[in-house]
Amino acid sequence: DSGVTQTPKHLITATGQRVTLRCSPRSGDLSVYWYQQSLDQGLQFLIQYYNGEERAKGNILERFSAQQFPDLHSELNLSSLELGDSALYFCASSVSWRGNQPQHFGDGTRLSIL
Amino acid sequence: SQQGEEDPQALSIQEGENATMNCSYKTSINNLQWYRQNSGRGLVHLILIRSNEREKHSGRLRVTLDTSKKSSSLLITASRAADTASYFCATYRGGGSQGNLIFGKGTKLSVKP
Repeated sequence: DSGVTQTPKHLITATGQRVTLRCSPRSGDLSVYWYQQSLDQGLQFLIQYYNGEERAKGNILERFSAQQFPDLHSELNLSSLELGDSALYFCASSVSWRGNQPQHFGDGTRLSIL
Repeated sequence: SQQGEEDPQALSIQEGENATMNCSYKTSINNLQWYRQNSGRGLVHLILIRSNEREKHSGRLRVTLDTSKKSSSLLITASRAADTASYFCATYRGGGSQGNLIFGKGTKLSVKP
């Protein structure tokens, strides 16, 4: 058990809809990362937060947004969903904002767009 | 964009054999990490090797890093059926304000009992 909790585990919705994915980091970790995993693109970094502040942005679409709350949990909001957004979305956490520590991954949210 | 590229894409071996996976990357790095992913689960950190290290061991795992060739290898000795999983290398470039890792596409390892 990594200590990172992601909800929901599965999400099925339709094109054009909006969803929110939730992540609770491991106790003591201040940094949260969101990744998207698909068969064709592999594991892509979306965004990083550290102690409530955005730290880095990767291949995140404008239709996607995220935030980290004072209690350090994070939410990833996906809107105007398209078929191509179907993927596994992972949250990971680490102690430091630097990548010189292991990242601890949740089990992901599987998003299916119909 | 992908930084690491694992080779081979898939590997099938018998229990008890050794498994070697390779990773090549493009730019200079601060460290390289290996992760394992069981089907349908999150990634699990295996080992981190810093750019000034050449070799690291953890149990049945041995990782090497050659920064001159921009490559790393992961050796799993005496493999078990439970080692069946996908293995990813991930690099951290260092510098800047971000801490994200860049992952390769992974090697799918199948260990047959």
